[in-house]
Amino acid sequence: DVKVTQSSRYLVKRTGEKVFLECVQDMDHENMFWYRQDPGLGLRLIYFSYDVKMKEKGDIPEGYSVSREKKERFSLILESASTNQTSMYLCASSPLGAGDTEAFFGQGTRLTVV
Amino acid sequence: AQTVTQSQPEMSVQEAETVTLSCTYDTSENNYYLFWYKQPPSRQMILVIRQEAYKQQNATENRFSVNFQKAAKSFSLKISDSQLGDTAMYFCAFMKGGAGGTSYGKLTFGQGTILTVHP
Repeated sequence: DVKVTQSSRYLVKRTGEKVFLECVQDMDHENMFWYRQDPGLGLRLIYFSYDVKMKEKGDIPEGYSVSREKKERFSLILESASTNQTSMYLCASSPLGAGDTEAFFGQGTRLTVV
Repeated sequence: AQTVTQSQPEMSVQEAETVTLSCTYDTSENNYYLFWYKQPPSRQMILVIRQEAYKQQNATENRFSVNFQKAAKSFSLKISDSQLGDTAMYFCAFMKGGAGGTSYGKLTFGQGTILTVHP
């Protein structure tokens, strides 16, 4: 079975902390994504990466950064967590030519910033 | 930029009945893909069905089918013979096509529709 694994299902952090959300895929996919899911807003793209060390901003990158040092791992970093970053975070991966296949998602990390 | 709109925040249906979830989108692209994803309470997103914009024939996957109206930019999902396991949040999503993977597989999602199937 293909698999995208997020390191935590639930996380509680304090305001101002630096937070790392980790995602690993075992499908040798080129593309990896971080989405944020909020009620009534659906999923919104934060950052994506199409190759090792390559990254591009999505629709809501403010307050976030990412790292992709290895093909299988894509990390989302909250430099200084704030309460408005309390949300569900979903990682996904897909191969090149993704329209002909599908994106595969992790099970999400529900982050609460207090 | 693309937008995807799901105007039904919640829907409910009786087991074995048929339900249709609505989705409209806006784009100036001619080459694109449309998807329906399902997110059950386990939170695992699962692809339900996909449609290539250049194909006129509506996609079907077992009990799931779409009504793709390209001119109207409409992409509805019909679930026949609804089952309790269909209870989930359903997301409509858009992906721009592109040669050589230039779309990078970025998805634009709608707001989601919570579907509840009642016994």
